[in-house]
Amino acid sequence: QVQLVESGGGLVKPGGSLRLSCAASGFTFSDYYMNWIRQAPGKGLEWVSYISSGSSSTNYADSVKGRFTISRDNAKNSLYLQMNSLRAEDTAVYYCARSISPSYHYVFDPWGQGTLVTVSS
Amino acid sequence: DIQMTQSPSSVSASVGDRVTITCRASQAISSWLAWYQQKPGKAPKLLIYATSRLQSGVPSRFSGSGSGTDFTLTISSLQPEDFATYHCQQANSFPLTFGGGTKVEIK
Repeated sequence: QVQLVESGGGLVKPGGSLRLSCAASGFTFSDYYMNWIRQAPGKGLEWVSYISSGSSSTNYADSVKGRFTISRDNAKNSLYLQMNSLRAEDTAVYYCARSISPSYHYVFDPWGQGTLVTVSS
Repeated sequence: DIQMTQSPSSVSASVGDRVTITCRASQAISSWLAWYQQKPGKAPKLLIYATSRLQSGVPSRFSGSGSGTDFTLTISSLQPEDFATYHCQQANSFPLTFGGGTKVEIK
């Protein structure tokens, strides 16, 4: 079955860095756009970034532009999010999510279980 | 950026009730609207995309409608497993944005 498993979250000090990973299985990873979406504690959902199937195209929310970098390794069926210059407001559960089909790039299903990033001194 | 406004922010309902949730976009998004269900401590799950297309495996008591700026999610007969938070999302333009969520609670 289709599965996405995030890892790499944890506690980091303001200004620090963290790299999230998302391991995909059960589908042809290289066929699909992938996304990172986050949810601060008790808050709504915020789209963070997407990457096209072949990595030729990416986009970011303004709140993370210049600090976060999305990447993927299709040979390893893996998605990544490099997060630098972390701020307290980046504290959230980070989900990786697949586009639902090659025709609907910006609708997300399934989602991983999420990984918690806490930015605090 | 396109702002997505959901109403109400919470609703109390009983099993068997018909529940309608509204999502309004700050500008026209054609039919590029999706709905997700999220239960506490879990990842969101896609219910509906392209305004009214039911995702595979989603019960037919869920339906969506609308176009332009105004959209609705309807649960025709609320079931115990439907108590959750529902989020709308526009897929028309970047940045992709979500509504603030509607919590459906047990009356």
